[in-house]
Amino acid sequence: GQQVMQIPQYQHVQEGEDFTTYCNSSTTLSNIQWYKQRPGGHPVFLIQLVKSGEVKKQKRLTFQFGEAKKNSSLHITATQTTDVGTYFCAGLQGGKLIFGQGTELSVKP
Amino acid sequence: GAVVSQHPSWVICKSGTSVKIECRSLDFQATTMFWYRQFPKQSLMLMATSNEGSKATYEQGVEKDKFLINHASLTLSTLTVTSAHPEDSSFYICSARQRVGRVYEQYFGPGTRLTVT
Repeated sequence: GQQVMQIPQYQHVQEGEDFTTYCNSSTTLSNIQWYKQRPGGHPVFLIQLVKSGEVKKQKRLTFQFGEAKKNSSLHITATQTTDVGTYFCAGLQGGKLIFGQGTELSVKP
Repeated sequence: GAVVSQHPSWVICKSGTSVKIECRSLDFQATTMFWYRQFPKQSLMLMATSNEGSKATYEQGVEKDKFLINHASLTLSTLTVTSAHPEDSSFYICSARQRVGRVYEQYFGPGTRLTVT
């Protein structure tokens, strides 16, 4: 079936350290989206990548979409305590958005 | 940006009763809405795709007679959990899709936390 795998499941970092989460699909994706969910909240849209090899930046966040449109990554430079939450990738396959398992980020001050 | 609302934001019901959750696109028309379920510490699992004016398409393993979906208008979809049981307790999130140029954008509601006692 349709699967989007995301690793790691958890990441604990010291404030100021970098963080990366990886997403991999078994099939080619039309696009990939990234969401952030704070504890007790709902997913909030961060960005959408459509083109093969695309790289987008949002301040300290860098998003990449693989050349084969099967994998993606989110990298946060110099994490802050406000970055705490679960980051989900979601791939568009056949008109449906399929979510990865998410990476829970905790940041120690 | 586009706004999707959900009502109620949380609900507690007794086992055996039914609960209706509403999802509205406030400032755009959504021909397609999606319903997701999220258990604690887990990801969002797509339950069904709802198209305005037609029957919903359910994902494998989701009981269509238990989770009734109605998409009667371009701005409203409802999910009714019938004969709810404690194992149905979860966070239910809807999402509405809008076409912007050549791209589809999907917006999520704030979710409804259901607790069945």
